Amino acid sequence: QVQLVESGGGVVQPGRSLRLSCAASGFTFGNYAMHWVRQAPGKGLEWVGIIFFDGNRNYYRDSVKGRFTITRDNSKNTLFLQMNSLRAEDTAVYYCAKGPDHGDTYYFDHWGQGALVTVSS
Amino acid sequence: DIQMTQSPSTLSASVGDSVTITCRASQTISMWLAWYHQKPGKAPRLLIYKASVLESGVPSRFSGSGSGTEFTLTISSLQPDDFATYYCQQYASGSRTFGQGTKLEMK
Repeated sequence: QVQLVESGGGVVQPGRSLRLSCAASGFTFGNYAMHWVRQAPGKGLEWVGIIFFDGNRNYYRDSVKGRFTITRDNSKNTLFLQMNSLRAEDTAVYYCAKGPDHGDTYYFDHWGQGALVTVSS
Repeated sequence: DIQMTQSPSTLSASVGDSVTITCRASQTISMWLAWYHQKPGKAPRLLIYKASVLESGVPSRFSGSGSGTEFTLTISSLQPDDFATYYCQQYASGSRTFGQGTKLEMK
């Protein structure tokens, strides 16, 4: 069965960086687009960005463009989210989520358990 | 970005009831709509995609309908496991946006 396990969350000061990882298993990782979706405490869901199946295309929401970078290592079935210049408003649980195809369809058929990122001085 | 608005924000119901949640898009999204539910402290789970297609493994008491700008999720014969927060999500264009959520609580 599909499993997605995030790691790397924690408390970080404003302006600093953090990298999240997502280990995937139970499916052919290199065949599917992957996403990051976040949820601020007590709030709703917010799509962060996508990386296509081969790692050759990325798209991000405007508020994280230029600060966040999504990469993947298909040889290790792992997804990454590099977050730089973090702000208080980036505080959230970050979920990695699997897309249903190579990258053209942006809904999420499996989700990880989430990693909490807290940006605070 | 396309705005998604769900109603109601909170819904009280009992086991065995049938309930309907509405999701409206600020512009047409054809049938590019998904529904999820989420329990406290857990990840969301996909229920329906393409407005009305039931995800594998999801009970048949869940159904979705609609196209364009107005969509509904209906849960017939509520089970205890169904009390959760429900989100719609458009995937037609832009930053794929979610509705604000509908909390389904036990009466």
